[in-house]
Amino acid sequence: QSALTQPPSASGSPGQSVTISCTGARSDVGRYDYVSWYQQHPGEAPKLIIYEVLKRPSGVPDRFSGSKSGNTASLTVSGLQAEDEADYYCSSYTSSNVWVFGTGTKVTVL
Amino acid sequence: QVQLVQSGAEVKKPGAAVKVSCKTSGYTFTGYYIHWVRQAPGQGLEWMGWINPNGGATNYAQKFQGRVTMTRDTSIGTAYIEMRSLRFNDTAVYYCARMDLIFTFPIWGQGTMVTVSS
Repeated sequence: QSALTQPPSASGSPGQSVTISCTGARSDVGRYDYVSWYQQHPGEAPKLIIYEVLKRPSGVPDRFSGSKSGNTASLTVSGLQAEDEADYYCSSYTSSNVWVFGTGTKVTVL
Repeated sequence: QVQLVQSGAEVKKPGAAVKVSCKTSGYTFTGYYIHWVRQAPGQGLEWMGWINPNGGATNYAQKFQGRVTMTRDTSIGTAYIEMRSLRFNDTAVYYCARMDLIFTFPIWGQGTMVTVSS
C-alpha cells in the first residue's frame, strides 16, 4: 500500500487560508469516506482535527475544514494563526482492511 | 479520562528484538482496536497494524509481516508490539492509538523512542 500523496509544504500569512491536498486511489480515498487529518507539532503525538472527510472533533476550531472529490481529499485552514504552524497528515482506510497515511505537509505561517 | 501510556525509550543493537507496551485506562479495553504507527526521525507517519483486544485478532501492514507481533493482556488493559531482527532504519518513535468506531484515531499514546545502534 503506497502512502497518500501530499505537497511537502504550504504557507500563508496570518489571517489567510491554506489548502492541503491528499491524493490516493480508488481503493482508499476514492472508495471510502474514512479520511482523517492529523496535526502534529514538533515533539508531540498527532492530534485528530478532521474525521470522515469533513467532521470536526469537539474542541477543534471551525477554521479547519475538509472535503473530498474523487481520489483527492483536501484540508483547508482558514484565518491562519501562528499556532497552526505544524505538520499535517491525512489518512485513509483502504480496501485491504489496512490504513495508510499521507506523506505529510509542513505548514508555515509567514 | 481516556489515556494510553507507553513504555520508556529503548536502545537496541541490530538483530535484536524490542517490545513496547501501551497501557490503557479510562475505558473498556476490549471495546476498541489498538493501532500502531511509527515515525522515523524527520519522516512521516507509517501505519504498522492493528490488534482487536477482544479476541486478539491482528492485521499487519505487508511491510512488517513476519517481523512484528501485536499482542494484548486484557487483565491489565495493555497492548504490546514486538519487533524482531531490528535494523538501523527501524529507529523511530512508535505510537499506539485507539481506533474509534468511525475508523479514526482520536486518542494516541505519548510515543516510545526506539533507537537501533551498534
